Amino acid sequence: DTEVTQTPKHLVMGMTNKKSLKCEQHMGHRAMYWYKQKAKKPPELMFVYSYEKLSINESVPSRFSPECPNSSLLNLHLHALQPEDSALYLCASSHSGSGVNEQFFGPGTRLTVL
Amino acid sequence: AQKITQTQPGMFVQEKEAVTLDCTYDTSDQSYGLFWYKQPSSGEMIFLIYQGSYDEQNATEGRYSLNFQKARKSANLVISASQLGDSAMYFCAMLGRGGTSYGKLTFGQGTILTVHP
Repeated sequence: DTEVTQTPKHLVMGMTNKKSLKCEQHMGHRAMYWYKQKAKKPPELMFVYSYEKLSINESVPSRFSPECPNSSLLNLHLHALQPEDSALYLCASSHSGSGVNEQFFGPGTRLTVL
Repeated sequence: AQKITQTQPGMFVQEKEAVTLDCTYDTSDQSYGLFWYKQPSSGEMIFLIYQGSYDEQNATEGRYSLNFQKARKSANLVISASQLGDSAMYFCAMLGRGGTSYGKLTFGQGTILTVHP
């Protein structure tokens, strides 16, 4: 299984809602990532988990809260988002946070904040 | 700090022809990795090819090859025998192995490739 899955595919939420994005991989990878991508722009790194511990937080606002319950799962909890947070949110995984290993991406969640 | 530059916002190619997508990079790291990803309109980032900074031979994966010129800090992607399904956004990216860049994948701005029948 060489797949990263993400749910939901699409999400529309109000600024007062609380929602979560989910990401799962079964490739035995020990590093997982969240990226944010605006239309026609490159992905921007948000968070990196290595061996289930948060290793990189790219100064992301606290309304985004990551969680890594185990080595296969990665969540992104959303609360009190702003319309400018509307974007494609991509999850990725790699063999480890170190070494030059390709990152495998999921299909993304398209988030719209009203 | 790492930087990736893709100077071609858009490229057009005729079906079955070859096309080269440009990528230059800047880093102070001695060890790094260079990647190319394809992103169709559906949004998924598809890994295409990887080149390590110490690899002496250019990487190849099927119709994709990477023209790696270390002294010039360039890592151009060559797609041979273009197909209509190759139409997509292409990103060049670098993975750092030193300092504050460690473990971070830095992307260029991307090139939109359109393949004409």
